Amino acid sequence: EDKVVQSPLSLVVHEGDTVTLNCSYEVTNFRSLLWYKQEKKAPTFLFMLTSSGIEKKSGRLSSILDKKELFSILNITATQTGDSAIYLCAVGSYDKVIFGPGTSLSVIP
Amino acid sequence: EPEVTQTPSHQVTQMGQEVILRCVPISNHLYFYWYRQILGQKVEFLVSFYNNEISEKSEIFDDQFSVERPDGSNFTLKIRSTKLEDSAMYFCASSEQGKVLRSPLHFGNGTRLTVT
Repeated sequence: EDKVVQSPLSLVVHEGDTVTLNCSYEVTNFRSLLWYKQEKKAPTFLFMLTSSGIEKKSGRLSSILDKKELFSILNITATQTGDSAIYLCAVGSYDKVIFGPGTSLSVIP
Repeated sequence: EPEVTQTPSHQVTQMGQEVILRCVPISNHLYFYWYRQILGQKVEFLVSFYNNEISEKSEIFDDQFSVERPDGSNFTLKIRSTKLEDSAMYFCASSEQGKVLRSPLHFGNGTRLTVT
């Protein structure tokens, strides 16, 4: 059965800290790995990764995929209170995308 | 920026009633999806839809559920006879290219379904 595992499930940090969120997967017919941020409602897209070892970066966020070890990390540097959200890892396999349980990040001032 | 829109934002229904959740995907997208998220739980795949037919569906998507693209813009999810456990946030999503290799899913804001 396909599965996506995220760790930690919950994290509390202070503003300015750097965090690393982990995602591992076991999926047949892997196509891509996606990171989303979910605040109040809809997940909003952050990154899509298809190739190993190539870092994707957007401001203070970055992510990388290791297809050999079947995992990805999402890094957030210099965290701000606005980064507080649930971060979802999802893996694309043919015609569906499977989500992990998410990491709930709380950034306190 | 184009977005996926869902209506209604909140629907309350009695057990056993039929509900139809509506979505307007982004106009040039070809692949459509429904997901649900029970409060406090993870986002779960229900069904994907391409070229007017279901591409893939999960075990959750049983005979109580159906999807339709009745015209060129709407994409609907029907639950025939709602159960209490159908209470959840239902997200519609669309993507430009469906094999998830080149384009991500874009989500609507969801419809919160409450079954009483």
